[in-house]
Formats: sequence, structure tokens, C-alpha cells
Amino acid sequence: GESVGLHLPTLSVQEGDNSIINCAYSNSASDYFIWYKQESGKGPQFIIDIRSNMDKRQGQRVTVLLNKTVKHLSLQIAATQPGDSAVYFCAESGGSYIPTFGRGTSLIVHP
Amino acid sequence: GAVVSQHPSWVICKSGTSVKIECRSLDFQATTMFWYRQFPKQSLMLMATSNEGSKATYEQGVEKDKFLINHASLTLSTLTVTSAHPEDSSFYICSARPGAGNTEAFFGQGTRLTVV
Repeated sequence: GESVGLHLPTLSVQEGDNSIINCAYSNSASDYFIWYKQESGKGPQFIIDIRSNMDKRQGQRVTVLLNKTVKHLSLQIAATQPGDSAVYFCAESGGSYIPTFGRGTSLIVHP
Repeated sequence: GAVVSQHPSWVICKSGTSVKIECRSLDFQATTMFWYRQFPKQSLMLMATSNEGSKATYEQGVEKDKFLINHASLTLSTLTVTSAHPEDSSFYICSARPGAGNTEAFFGQGTRLTVV
């Protein structure tokens, strides 16, 4: 798949709410997916990953869901906090083992 | 997690000069490193894949003579932007992967390049 250089969509939530960030990936051969968090002026930070033999994986306050049928990935953040405000990217990789980034979503958490 | 250090964090250079950015894996060996470029409010665009001891593989549209990549050791890759132009101003990010295959890649903190 190819990463797309488009402007970022924005998701605004209130502190304490749950957030759901979606990502559509392009390569049906991708078998490894990662969510990254990027704060302004910094490099991406690993949040959680999932392999194609799973459809759900949970971490601390985060859950990743994978729907291979429609090539869709989502990140759920429970009890969103102001510190969660950042840009979130999904990345996919397949046989080339090269992480390819999706469009990204800007999450804004209002106190 | 593993640490990837990128240096410098920011640099300002004059048009026509060259700038070198270093990417180091501090606590692991990285056979493969990746270089990305990011424009404001956009996603990370892969520029090239850097393999230790061999030539880098560049993505389509990326000039290999302008963006020189050297991966001389298992812990260091460098990106040199040659004859810099203002349109080269961007955020450059490297990442490194400890193992082979599909495993987590760790990212540096990025380098903000401004060409004046």
C-alpha cells in the first residue's frame, strides 16, 4: 500500500470519553499492523500492534481491532486524557517488512 | 522499548549547502533502518530503506544523488541532504528495527531541517 499525503482529519473529544480512531489500509497482503502516537515536533511512538491472525488486542487503556474483510483497523482509547492529544497513525507491513503509514488522525482532548 | 537517537534535532542551513543527519540505535543492532520525510499536517512518507553494508533502496521519486544514505554499521545510518533547497525543508525521521521480518520498528525523535 501507499501512504497518502493528505491533510489530517480531526477527532475532538471530552476528557474521560472513549475515543475511536479509524484507519483503512490498502494492501490485503499486509499481515502486521501498528498504531503510533506522534506529538508535535517528535517522532512516532509505538502504542500497540496486531498481527493478521488476530482480530483484537488490548493494552493499557487501548484496544486495537482488525477487520481483514474490509481492510479496516481501529484504535480505541478508554477514558481519554488531555495527554492523549496527538496525531495517531496506523502503519501496515507485509512481505516487504517495510512499515507504510496511513493518513493519520489528529486527536484533540478537551479538559 | 529500544531507543533510536537522531541528531541533530533541528538544523538551519543555507541554500546550496549539505546537511548530514545521523540515526543511531543505542541498545540494539539494526540491520535495516528507514528514512521518512514528513510535511506539516501530513503523514510520514518513506524515502528509503537503508541496509547495513549495502546500497540503500530508494522509493520512487526520491533522488538518490540528493539524499545520500550511508549505513556503515549496525548501529548507525546517515542521511545527507546535498545542495539543499528551501523545498527540502521538512521533518526527517529515521526508524530502526531490531530483528528481521515483521517486528516493531522504533523511531528517532526527528530532525527539523530549515533551508534558508
